[in-house]
Amino acid sequence: QVQLVQSGAEVKKPGASVTVSCKVSGHTLTKLSIHWVRQAPGKGLEWMGGFAPEDGETVYAQRLQGRVTMTEDTSTEIAYMELSSLRSEDTAMYYCATDVYCDTVTGYCSDYWGQGTLVTVSS
Amino acid sequence: NFLLTQPHSVSESPGKTVTISCTRSSGSIATNYVQWFQQRPGSSPTTVIFEDDQRPSGVPPRFSGSIDSSSNSASLTISGLKTEDEADYYCQSFDDTDQGVFGGGTKLTVL
Repeated sequence: QVQLVQSGAEVKKPGASVTVSCKVSGHTLTKLSIHWVRQAPGKGLEWMGGFAPEDGETVYAQRLQGRVTMTEDTSTEIAYMELSSLRSEDTAMYYCATDVYCDTVTGYCSDYWGQGTLVTVSS
Repeated sequence: NFLLTQPHSVSESPGKTVTISCTRSSGSIATNYVQWFQQRPGSSPTTVIFEDDQRPSGVPPRFSGSIDSSSNSASLTISGLKTEDEADYYCQSFDDTDQGVFGGGTKLTVL
């Protein structure tokens, strides 16, 4: 059973940085393509970036370029998303998620999402 | 980049069929796969359709996806509506530089 467990809620001041972690269990981080999605209060989903397996590299949303960094620690099976120079508009629920993954043995296909991490930016 | 436009809301009665559209503003809808996500209040999203018309395991066949090149749009159709289908639905695609784009979301009310 694949699970993604994210770190807890954060409150940050404008200009600060925040790092959200996403612990993967039940599978190997290197076999999953992790994406990060955020959702401002009462708003829709916004794609922040993720791993593009065809290119073998992480792609970031253009509007966040330069402020967001996504990394993975394969020794601990934890993915990280760091967002810097925080502003009030960055207040949102942040999710890590996988692409739909199909098990080659069982044929079971599913995506997996973390529970979300609320980041509040306020002075 | 392109935009994906969805209706803000749709409503239908239990047992009926509803279709949610997702229109791509530029470039062909057929160029990049479309995904559909369901998000119930207070929950994380989940995929109900991937690669235009594929259902993840556990998603009932009442959910189907399609694309229409003539209207440059994708559609999510839910038949035999149940009250548990009431949720927000988002389409998503990627452009040729792997930039992800979400539609604005559609609130489905089953009444």
